[in-house]
Amino acid sequence: QVQLVESGGGVVQTGRSLRLSCEASGFTFSSFGMHWVRQAPGKGLEWVAVISYDGSYRYYADSVKGRFTISRDNSKNTLYLQMNSLRGEDMAVYYCAKDQISCPALCHYYGMDVWGQGTTVTVSS
Amino acid sequence: QSVLTQPPSVSGAPGQRVTISCTGSSYNIGAGYDVHWYQQLPGTAPKLLIYGNSNRPSGVPDRFSGSKSGTSASLAITGLQAEDEADYYCQSYDSSLSGSWVFGGGTKLTVL
Repeated sequence: QVQLVESGGGVVQTGRSLRLSCEASGFTFSSFGMHWVRQAPGKGLEWVAVISYDGSYRYYADSVKGRFTISRDNSKNTLYLQMNSLRGEDMAVYYCAKDQISCPALCHYYGMDVWGQGTTVTVSS
Repeated sequence: QSVLTQPPSVSGAPGQRVTISCTGSSYNIGAGYDVHWYQQLPGTAPKLLIYGNSNRPSGVPDRFSGSKSGTSASLAITGLQAEDEADYYCQSYDSSLSGSWVFGGGTKLTVL
């Protein structure tokens, strides 16, 4: 079945780096844009970043721009989020999510129809 | 604060109808971008509940419906059931500044 499995979360000190992975299965990964969405403890959902199906378009939330990098390896069906200069406010459960349809560039008019179970990032001082 | 505004909480008794509002602006909902709704049960990942303002993915009961007008959207739940108790989020695209995908702050639905 269609599935996304995140990994790579853990405890990291302020200012350090961490790389999250999201392995996809059950669909043609290389045809769909992918997102990272995070949820701080007890808070709502916050969109983090998006990457187009081929990696040619990437956009970030202002809160992570310049510190986080989204990437993908379509040969491995895997999405990544490289997080540098981590701050306390980056502490959250990070979800990867799939675009609902396959778009030529980015899907501005569609939702995210498949989500992973999330991986937890804890930033300690 | 979120670009899309939702009430923090709503409640209703089993069998009743509740609605959750999502208010945006001329840069997102009012600009014609579609609104999508997600249900997040306690301790689980979000699930797409309504897409394209009013469409239900397969498997979502028709007790759930969505609508959009102007710069706002609404999620309605009829025949409220205990298992509907969850957090609900609206989501759209915002074209201001560099552009971004945006979520509402979320609404906690309590079934009394």
